Amino acid sequence: KQEVTQIPAALSVPEGENLVLNCSFTDSAIYNLQWFRQDPGKGLTSLLLIQSSQREQTSGRLNASLDKSSGRSTLYIAASQPGDSATYLCAVAPGNEKLTFGTGTRLTIIP
Amino acid sequence: NAGVTQTPKFQVLKTGQSMTLQCAQDMNHNSMYWYRQDPGMGLRLIYYSASEGTTDKGEVPNGYNVSRLNKREFSLRLESAAPSQTSVYFCASSKDRQGAVYSPLHFGNGTRLTVT
Repeated sequence: KQEVTQIPAALSVPEGENLVLNCSFTDSAIYNLQWFRQDPGKGLTSLLLIQSSQREQTSGRLNASLDKSSGRSTLYIAASQPGDSATYLCAVAPGNEKLTFGTGTRLTIIP
Repeated sequence: NAGVTQTPKFQVLKTGQSMTLQCAQDMNHNSMYWYRQDPGMGLRLIYYSASEGTTDKGEVPNGYNVSRLNKREFSLRLESAAPSQTSVYFCASSKDRQGAVYSPLHFGNGTRLTVT
């Protein structure tokens, strides 16, 4: 059974710093990996989707990488801002509808 | 830009009561999903509808039923609510199936359900 782990559960960094969030998964037979952000009391917002054949995806200050062989993905946030404060979740897709989600990293950017 | 709309936002039920959670999307998406989110457990798939006219069980379907009313609407019904169904419920949609080339999920803002 696929397991997705996100460590640490919470992270605080000063504004302006670059940071990396981690996502690890136990079964490398995935179709894609998605990163989401969730603001308190809200739903999830899709940030980036990496196909299994890709190594990375970029959107603005965000860059996500995927290493299937090691079962790892990272989300890099450049020049962090207070508005980046949220919970970040990753999810792996096995090729069917049953995605497996991590429990997220709660990020706080300190002004 | 409505996206995915869920109603109600909050609901309190007594054990044994029934209710239906409504979900509608205006993005012309083919696939729709119901998830529940519980502390420390991540999101878990309850039911999904890969295309209009089809529904399938997810990871935790017991105690729930769904109806894909049309392409836009996908409802979740609790026939006899139990305290274990206290959770936050999210509806999501995607252009195509999750196995498609590029089909990110779009989520509603959730329904916070408490069963006493």
